[in-house]
Amino acid sequence: AQSVAQPEDQVNVAEGNPLTVKCTYSVSGNPYLFWYVQYPNRGLQFLLKYITGDNLVKGSYGFEAEFNKSQTSFHLKKPSALVSDSALYFCAGRSFTGGGNKLTFGTGTQLKVEL
Amino acid sequence: DTGVSQDPRHKITKRGQNVTFRCDPISEHNRLYWYRQTLGQGPEFLTYFQNEAQLEKSRLLSDRFSAERPKGSFSTLEIQRTEQGDSAMYLCASSSTEKLFFGSGTQLSVL
Repeated sequence: AQSVAQPEDQVNVAEGNPLTVKCTYSVSGNPYLFWYVQYPNRGLQFLLKYITGDNLVKGSYGFEAEFNKSQTSFHLKKPSALVSDSALYFCAGRSFTGGGNKLTFGTGTQLKVEL
Repeated sequence: DTGVSQDPRHKITKRGQNVTFRCDPISEHNRLYWYRQTLGQGPEFLTYFQNEAQLEKSRLLSDRFSAERPKGSFSTLEIQRTEQGDSAMYLCASSSTEKLFFGSGTQLSVL
């Protein structure tokens, strides 16, 4: 069975400071990993994905994520946070093979960026 | 491209009633997914269609749940004999690649 864990329910950061939202995964074989963001009253929006290649993946709105196979982690990062980044962030993953098309999501991390 | 549309946005029903939700995916997307999300949790996979074929169903999808995607276009999710535990946000997503596009969801409240 595949699983995705987001150990922090909430992350608070000051505007202009770097942010990290943590994610670890348990997926058989090679993983496909994703980050999605959910704003109030709006659907989830795709931020970035890791399928293969460079361990550092760049995505929308200046976000990036680092795939670390040895630590089974896929943390989301941004060098300088904005108040408008405040939202609910979900990590998701599935197996490259044998997992079908079922994406498993983490429980989400609420990011709060303050002035 | 108007995105993924879901109807209705909200549905309040009494326990035991049947409800049906509709999802209109992005027109060129051949893959369609249904997920369920409850407060404080991430979306949970329910079912997946490729064109009109339902290729995967979660064990979460009991016999009271049925989904269709006639002609590979819009999809419907029906819940029969609703229970209070069915109260959740039902999300639809479509894709043509690994990137999913989600609708805003249908919030179901079972009284």
